[in-house]
Amino acid sequence: GAVVSQHPSWVICKSGTSVKIECRSLDFQATTMFWYRQFPKQSLMLMATSNEGSKATYEQGVEKDKFLINHASLTLSTLTVTSAHPEDSSFYICSPRRPSTDTQYFGPGTRLTVL
Amino acid sequence: SQQGEEDPQALSIQEGENATMNCSYKTSINNLQWYRQNSGRGLVHLILIRSNEREKHSGRLRVTLDTSKKSSSLLITASRAADTASYFCATEGAQKLVFGQGTRLTINP
Repeated sequence: GAVVSQHPSWVICKSGTSVKIECRSLDFQATTMFWYRQFPKQSLMLMATSNEGSKATYEQGVEKDKFLINHASLTLSTLTVTSAHPEDSSFYICSPRRPSTDTQYFGPGTRLTVL
Repeated sequence: SQQGEEDPQALSIQEGENATMNCSYKTSINNLQWYRQNSGRGLVHLILIRSNEREKHSGRLRVTLDTSKKSSSLLITASRAADTASYFCATEGAQKLVFGQGTRLTINP
């Protein structure tokens, strides 16, 4: 399978601060990146879809000004949680799509805890 | 939005028994995939079944797909303690994966 990394793997921050999560596809170029969020004991919820060089498309109920997604290159996408609050505490998982096989791969996730 | 519904939400069985989890979805799909997730960890891809397939096997896993009923099942045979995890179905349509609610499986030694 493909190698996908996320950094950091976990982060604790104070309420009101912004947190940036990086996702890299290490062995293929991802034209499309998906970002998911998973609350404890729940399933993965798709937050947004981004295509390289374009603005992200957000799912209903996800605030685009709060969750900033940058997909500036084919191997790197970032999710910035702005002005984080405790209710943003969650497990964030990126998922790049390999265009040659139309397969989605998943990063190991980033656990965000907002105090 | 979440498309799939899984049942049961939780399943606890004895080691060696078979475990069956079901997934239902609402719209047309290209394929359906099953994933495993250990507590607090990332996803592990188990198996993919395409919309034109009815059954697929991989080791102790057996997946069925009934597109007329919009449902799928995952059977794990001869369960082991290491199979304890959450299992999610995910449907692919419109070039994105949407996950079901998941089944928390506990295998008791």
